[in-house]
Amino acid sequence: SQQGEEDPQALSIQEGENATMNCSYKTSINNLQWYRQNSGRGLVHLILIRSNEREKHSGRLRVTLDTSKKSSSLLITASRAADTASYFCATDEGAQKLVFGQGTRLTINP
Amino acid sequence: EADIYQTPRYLVIGTGKKITLECSQTMGHDKMYWYQQDPGMELHLIHYSYGVNSTEKGDLSSESTVSRIRTEHFPLTLESARPSHTSQYLCASSEGGGYNQPQHFGDGTRLSIL
Repeated sequence: SQQGEEDPQALSIQEGENATMNCSYKTSINNLQWYRQNSGRGLVHLILIRSNEREKHSGRLRVTLDTSKKSSSLLITASRAADTASYFCATDEGAQKLVFGQGTRLTINP
Repeated sequence: EADIYQTPRYLVIGTGKKITLECSQTMGHDKMYWYQQDPGMELHLIHYSYGVNSTEKGDLSSESTVSRIRTEHFPLTLESARPSHTSQYLCASSEGGGYNQPQHFGDGTRLSIL
């Protein structure tokens, strides 16, 4: 079953601009996580937001969570070429495992 | 950076062969996972383990098997490889306790069955 669905599927912006990716899910969650995957590599955990939190920051990353709309967004500010990657949200469906979305492919153009 | 290791990174092999994909972690994590991911697509959980001698099947039906004899080691075996098994296989681990702690991933094994 697919829980998180990212939007857009692909995003291309200029270096220095902000990038926003969205994730929607279907059932109640305990937490929602965002991961980054560089080409040919495994996933790297970026940030975890709990269901009772609305916003969380980590460096240039800002994550919001709206449980009433069952959605989350990931904002990357002042993007860099090194931010080029696929970004996945993952939710737990209240269970002891994560379900990943299809990801957003982000390209930062120099 | 990663404390979870997968070998081999790439494997091209013929149909019918027995394959074992290795995964080891040095973090002492109780929970370990195997995912299958086609290029540019979502991850599908195929097996997971909550500790030694514990293994469970995931959401995606898989003809593979796993074992967890030691905390740090979680190998995946395909008894008879088929072209439909061609994919990338990612191993991950996380701390036990609580709901879904962050997972640490290896760099994957890209498997091609001829």
